[in-house]
Amino acid sequence: NAGVTQTPKFQVLKTGQSMTLQCAQDMNHNSMYWYRQDPGMGLRLIYYSASEGTTDKGEVPNGYNVSRLNKREFSLRLESAAPSQTSVYFCASLMNTEAFFGQGTRLTVV
Amino acid sequence: GEDVEQSLFLSVREGDSSVINCTYTDSSSTYLYWYKQEPGAGLQLLTYIFSNMDMKQDQRLTVLLNKKDKHLSLRIADTQTGDSAIYFCAEKTQAGTALIFGKGTTLSVSS
Repeated sequence: NAGVTQTPKFQVLKTGQSMTLQCAQDMNHNSMYWYRQDPGMGLRLIYYSASEGTTDKGEVPNGYNVSRLNKREFSLRLESAAPSQTSVYFCASLMNTEAFFGQGTRLTVV
Repeated sequence: GEDVEQSLFLSVREGDSSVINCTYTDSSSTYLYWYKQEPGAGLQLLTYIFSNMDMKQDQRLTVLLNKKDKHLSLRIADTQTGDSAIYFCAEKTQAGTALIFGKGTTLSVSS
């Protein structure tokens, strides 16, 4: 039972490049989330998916897109990376009371 | 609107008790959580409390909830150097489908 798995763990992008962050959970949870963590800002919600086939914007969605491919997988795409998107990205899944987090992706945009 | 506030830093000596405080604004919060994040790691769920409870104890951890004042606290008894981390308070509201986090409290434990 791996829980929530994120790939990659580290990534450096040049401004304007695109990439997709992958997230998969094996706990059969309905809800999945993408957060970004910046120093002094806590965790801010980018997008979430309450169930397979649905996605909604969170607090800071600009510059991102998401896909809930199936119940297990929820990906986050940066179409044209900007230095302001340098951050640590966390994927999480939630069932009822408990949320479980992946180990994070540290993204640097230069 | 939804907002969760925490103090940013707390420094204690090993063996003392630590108390980390949190306030939230949404009275419809159903669950309130404490997460721990060690350097370079993800978030680890420490404990949570349902909004109709006043207190929850789990080994060295005690959570107190004052729903009237919308105040949540986490007490760590006999604090150890391994407890040094960032602690996040989070709420799950009745209307929302996501957890709303505070900015985190950095706990520093000196020996």
